[in-house]
Amino acid sequence: QSVLTQPPSASGTPGHRVTISCSGSSSNIGTNTVNWYQQVPGTAPKLLIYSNNQRPSGVPDRFSGSKSGTSASLAISGLQSEDEAHYYCATWDDSLSGPGVFGGGTKLTVL
Amino acid sequence: EVQLVQSGAEVKKPGESLKISCQGSGYTFTRHWIGWVRQMPGKGLEWMGIIYPADSNTRYSPSFLAQVTISVDKSIGTAYLQWSSLKASDTAMYYCAKSRGPGPYSFDYWGQGTLVSVSS
Repeated sequence: QSVLTQPPSASGTPGHRVTISCSGSSSNIGTNTVNWYQQVPGTAPKLLIYSNNQRPSGVPDRFSGSKSGTSASLAISGLQSEDEAHYYCATWDDSLSGPGVFGGGTKLTVL
Repeated sequence: EVQLVQSGAEVKKPGESLKISCQGSGYTFTRHWIGWVRQMPGKGLEWMGIIYPADSNTRYSPSFLAQVTISVDKSIGTAYLQWSSLKASDTAMYYCAKSRGPGPYSFDYWGQGTLVSVSS
């Protein structure tokens, strides 16, 4: 049971927009920045968003992140078939659950 | 080019010891944290711990404290994850990753993973 709560699944059709939520608490998301990782099955995770809303070089601007209070969201616009993957939020946790924590992950299906 | 290269897959028996490695190249090894992440079969990512190669400062997730040991040999740019007595429940893919910046907050490059299988 992760301290960061994500929906287990999400879906969308090509070209549309989908959002994935990540809910935490005052000891993690409430006081620390959020990162998002994408993991295509059989491969290592890839950093998608860091510091709540920053994209590493090479990540398309279709991917965006936001944070408000103790929750964060990842938005993917212009959905493409290659976006089908697992998505994980992650942050630092200042409580006994820390120091670092991942969400349980969300499996995105492109219909 | 930044690379993290992990050691190969391992097949072990319960009670055996194991040390897997992660060699970094293409960046200043001592200036970025190295983290270890577990992924059990069909499951999500779990944060295990991190180490700062410059001074071997190490932090563990409570779930993994006293279960594994993270170490580093900065002279050869390599971090390690080791077990003194493996259990079947240690069967998983293990990834190492380097921090994006000087702080340990996000991982921008990942190793290819080391699959550890523990079975009698």
